[in-house]
Amino acid sequence: NAGVTQTPKFQVLKTGQSMTLQCAQDMNHNSMYWYRQDPGMGLRLIYYSASEGTTDKGEVPNGYNVSRLNKREFSLRLESAAPSQTSVYFCASSDLAGVGTDTQYFGPGTRLTVL
Amino acid sequence: LAKTTQPISMDSYEGQEVNITCSHNNIATNDYITWYQQFPSQGPRFIIQGYKTKVTNEVASLFIPADRKSSTLSLPRVSLSDTAVYYCLVGSPSSSNTGKLIFGQGTTLQVKP
Repeated sequence: NAGVTQTPKFQVLKTGQSMTLQCAQDMNHNSMYWYRQDPGMGLRLIYYSASEGTTDKGEVPNGYNVSRLNKREFSLRLESAAPSQTSVYFCASSDLAGVGTDTQYFGPGTRLTVL
Repeated sequence: LAKTTQPISMDSYEGQEVNITCSHNNIATNDYITWYQQFPSQGPRFIIQGYKTKVTNEVASLFIPADRKSSTLSLPRVSLSDTAVYYCLVGSPSSSNTGKLIFGQGTTLQVKP
């Protein structure tokens, strides 16, 4: 099993450009998440999907949209990139929607730079 | 949601036991305590989880006192490869908390030879 995979690994955008970050998991998990991590900071939740067909905002959703394409895939879209969105983006998945007792499995991250 | 407080950084030497304490004064009855480890350029990885007393696995031990207002992650005989950021998280299985996992800044552990 590959676990959680993310594409691309690196991306450079110009201000105003759009792009979609892709995430897929092969563990048959119900819940999927998108986080961003800025230098020297912890992870902040952008959006999550508790189950297929549902999405909800996390701590920092502004400037992003998500799509839970199917049970395996959860994409994050930046419609008009801004320098403040320069960050490392992590996708994660978990089996249940219960935060406290459910282990989240993380992908390797996408390093995004917006010029 | 319970907020956690942990030291920003710690130094240790190879072979020593490392204890990282996390404060969570507002922990709720249903909350569990979970620790994640993050190496540079990688996503976080689950280490251990507990509700009360002591939990041990092949990687670490987690000590939780009776009042549950703090917890201590114990790493026995650390090696250079244990250099990482360690996050303490508190959350409950309630669906109302779904997805609202708060990582904070974590504790950067530097293991020296």
